[in-house]
Amino acid sequence: EDKVVQSPLSLVVHEGDTVTLNCSYEVTNFRSLLWYKQEKKAPTFLFMLTSSGIEKKSGRLSSILDKKELFSILNITATQTGDSAVYLCAVPPFNDYKLSFGAGTTVTVRA
Amino acid sequence: DSGVTQTPKHLITATGQRVTLRCSPRSGDLSVYWYQQSLDQGLQFLIQYYNGEERAKGNILERFSAQQFPDLHSELNLSSLELGDSALYFCASSVDAGGFYEQYFGPGTRLTVT
Repeated sequence: EDKVVQSPLSLVVHEGDTVTLNCSYEVTNFRSLLWYKQEKKAPTFLFMLTSSGIEKKSGRLSSILDKKELFSILNITATQTGDSAVYLCAVPPFNDYKLSFGAGTTVTVRA
Repeated sequence: DSGVTQTPKHLITATGQRVTLRCSPRSGDLSVYWYQQSLDQGLQFLIQYYNGEERAKGNILERFSAQQFPDLHSELNLSSLELGDSALYFCASSVDAGGFYEQYFGPGTRLTVT
């Protein structure tokens, strides 16, 4: 069965720190891995990583995909209180179009 | 703003009742997905429509049904509501299906069943 596991479940950091979030997956016929940020309401799309795009960067956020070891990392540098959110990793299973989400990592950034 | 709209934002209803949640996808997106998020379950996929046709089904109860109309908006119907149906219901859309297209989420409808 396809699995998406995120770690840690939660962490607390201070402004300016760097955080590293992990997502490991077991999916038959991998196509893509997506990262979302969820604050109070809807998940907001951050990155999609595929076999042809294993590194993405946007401002202070960056993500890499290791297809051999089956994991992805989301890095946030120089964290700000506005980065406080749940970060979700999702993968579409083989021959399917829905997204299977990990449980998420809750990041709390203290001023 | 993702471009996906959902109405209503909040819904409070009693057990046994029936409600309809509505979703309009982003302009140009043909695929619509419905997800349920409750405190103890995380984001769970319910059902997907692509250009008016059902494409995939997840853990959707028989009391729930959905459809996608010719103008591509979608409705999720929940009937014989139970307390456990209280959750956030999200709609997402993507330009196509197949796992290579990111899904954009609407703001959600918070359903409270009393």
